[in-house]
Amino acid sequence: DVKVTQSSRYLVKRTGEKVFLECVQDMDHENMFWYRQDPGLGLRLIYFSYDVKMKEKGDIPEGYSVSREKKERFSLILESASTNQTSMYLCASSPTSGGGDEQYFGPGTRLTVT
Amino acid sequence: GENVEQHPSTLSVQEGDSAVIKCTYSDSASNYFPWYKQELGKGPQLIIDIRSNVGEKKDQRIAVTLNKTAKHFSLHITETQPEDSAVYFCAAPYTGTASKLTFGTGTRLQVTL
Repeated sequence: DVKVTQSSRYLVKRTGEKVFLECVQDMDHENMFWYRQDPGLGLRLIYFSYDVKMKEKGDIPEGYSVSREKKERFSLILESASTNQTSMYLCASSPTSGGGDEQYFGPGTRLTVT
Repeated sequence: GENVEQHPSTLSVQEGDSAVIKCTYSDSASNYFPWYKQELGKGPQLIIDIRSNVGEKKDQRIAVTLNKTAKHFSLHITETQPEDSAVYFCAAPYTGTASKLTFGTGTRLQVTL
């Protein structure tokens, strides 16, 4: 079974703090994703990585950065957390076959910024 | 880029009834349309997908239909059960790539006894 794990289920941070969200997958997938989930807005892509050290911006990258130093690990960084970044963050991974591939999601991290 | 619209946002059905969720997309070149189910406290999980070379695909009580001319696809759940209660998301590929997906805004399905 593919497993995607996220470092925390719940996280509470203060405005201005630097926040790290970690994601690890165990299936040697090339692609990894960070999404943000908000009520009524669905899943919005923050960043995408298709290989180690390679990344692409998604639809809402402002205020976020990412790091992928190893194939299995993809980190989302909030350089200076703000209250409007309070949300559910989902990490996913997928293989690359070129024709549309299943994305495997972690359980999510609910981040609250106060 | 791809734009995916999903309706309805909430759906309540009685156990045993059918449920239908509809999505439209904008990019006529899109050729892969997955549906994900998100149960409470979990991440979304793929339940069925369809590619543009077929018009319908079934897997037990769930089916997906695709109308490429009208650029819409639908999820059909028959004989609904309480365990079908969840949030459902449709998706389509980002324009020009099959690796990234654009998701719909989700449908919260409630199956009542």
